[in-house]
Amino acid sequence: EIVLTQSPGTLSLSPGERATLSCRASQTIGNNYLAWYQKKPGQPPRLLIDDATTRADGIPDRFSGSGSGTDFTLTITRLEPEDFAVYYCQQCATAPLTFGGGTKVEIK
Amino acid sequence: EVQLVESGGGLVQPGGSLRLSCADSGFTSSTYWMNWVRQAPGKGLEWVAIIKQDGSDIHYVASVKGRFTISRDNAQNSMYLQMNSLRVEDTAVYFCTGGEGWTSSYWGQGTLVTVSS
Repeated sequence: EIVLTQSPGTLSLSPGERATLSCRASQTIGNNYLAWYQKKPGQPPRLLIDDATTRADGIPDRFSGSGSGTDFTLTITRLEPEDFAVYYCQQCATAPLTFGGGTKVEIK
Repeated sequence: EVQLVESGGGLVQPGGSLRLSCADSGFTSSTYWMNWVRQAPGKGLEWVAIIKQDGSDIHYVASVKGRFTISRDNAQNSMYLQMNSLRVEDTAVYFCTGGEGWTSSYWGQGTLVTVSS
């Protein structure tokens, strides 16, 4: 099983600041099949990034994904008020599919 | 467009059974891999199971193997999760998801399963 470790656990930032979230895998993720999701309370998760770097339909370009192999990053260039949420990475290469523990981006 | 709606959640005693359903009112989910993902209260997301478009390929997380069964009926644009021998730790909101590959591009609103005596 591929274990995903997300860091930091919590990120305290102000609107307009840049957020950098990390997701590290215990082994190489084949074809970089790594996805990022945004989760808000009472709502289902929303797919942001697929295949490590591809923005999903309708996702603003302030969200970007990078990385390969075992180290991946989600960057939000300028935080908007609606971006404060919990973010999860998921590897979609090898069963069982696994999620990271999440990074909470909170308002400072 | 895929529009997923889960049903079948509720309160059940430990050791009991429940069957979750996921209906796609967009009538396109037959072309997608479909998953169940859950989130226990105050916890993170946990992937549970996945099924291929024609049902020929299925995988489960270790903690539910032998207890849960995922299935689908493309003629009814529906997917199911039969949950047996339920445990307190299975308490969670269960989401139905779908995508062209194993990524969950589309999500339902979720249905709450509570296992308690």
